[in-house]
Amino acid sequence: EIVLTQSPGTVSLSPGERATLSCRASQSVSNNYLAWYQQKPGQAPRLLMYGASSRATGVPDRFSGSGSVTDFSLTISRLEPEDFAVYYCQQYGRSPLTFGGGTKVEIK
Amino acid sequence: QVQLQESGPGLVKPSETLSLTCNVSGGSISSGGHYWGWIRQPPGKGLEWIGYIYYHGHTYYNPSLTSQYRLSVDTSKNQFSLKVSSVTAADTAVYYCARGQLGGDNADYYFDDWGQGTLVTVSS
Repeated sequence: EIVLTQSPGTVSLSPGERATLSCRASQSVSNNYLAWYQQKPGQAPRLLMYGASSRATGVPDRFSGSGSVTDFSLTISRLEPEDFAVYYCQQYGRSPLTFGGGTKVEIK
Repeated sequence: QVQLQESGPGLVKPSETLSLTCNVSGGSISSGGHYWGWIRQPPGKGLEWIGYIYYHGHTYYNPSLTSQYRLSVDTSKNQFSLKVSSVTAADTAVYYCARGQLGGDNADYYFDDWGQGTLVTVSS
């Protein structure tokens, strides 16, 4: 199975700053079939991105995804207070689908 | 967008069978086009996909997990279910049901709608 490694584990930033989260795959992810989710405390994950760079319905354009093959990124251009959360990547290019371990974006 | 709601016991004893149900509203499971999945999250940890099921009963389970998991679907009630047999403390987690969206040709699924999750604790 494809192992996804997210880094950093935790990042401390201030509102208004830029956040760049990394997701590295142990094997090539077919057709960039990679999704990103946001999870706030006590809530279910929320789909943010799919196909590495397509935003899900209702996701603000300050969120953007990029990358290919084995290296992917999620960028939040200017952090809003509601963006402090844990972010997970998930690959669906090869069965079984797998999730990364998550990156926590915390307030500095 | 559909709404999903998990239900089940919050506490299960070791070695017993855990049964969870996910009720779907705002759309029909029988309409096809989606698989319906279960994902769990142990306290303070990451997400683990358990498996998913199609409306006609086809299932696919995470091969990294043991065979203690069983999914079923009841289209008349617009719901699907998960049974976990012989539970241990390691099965303590928040269990989420979610709608799987096919990613593309020869692809697996990502999850575009999620239930709020239900915490299941395994303890005597």
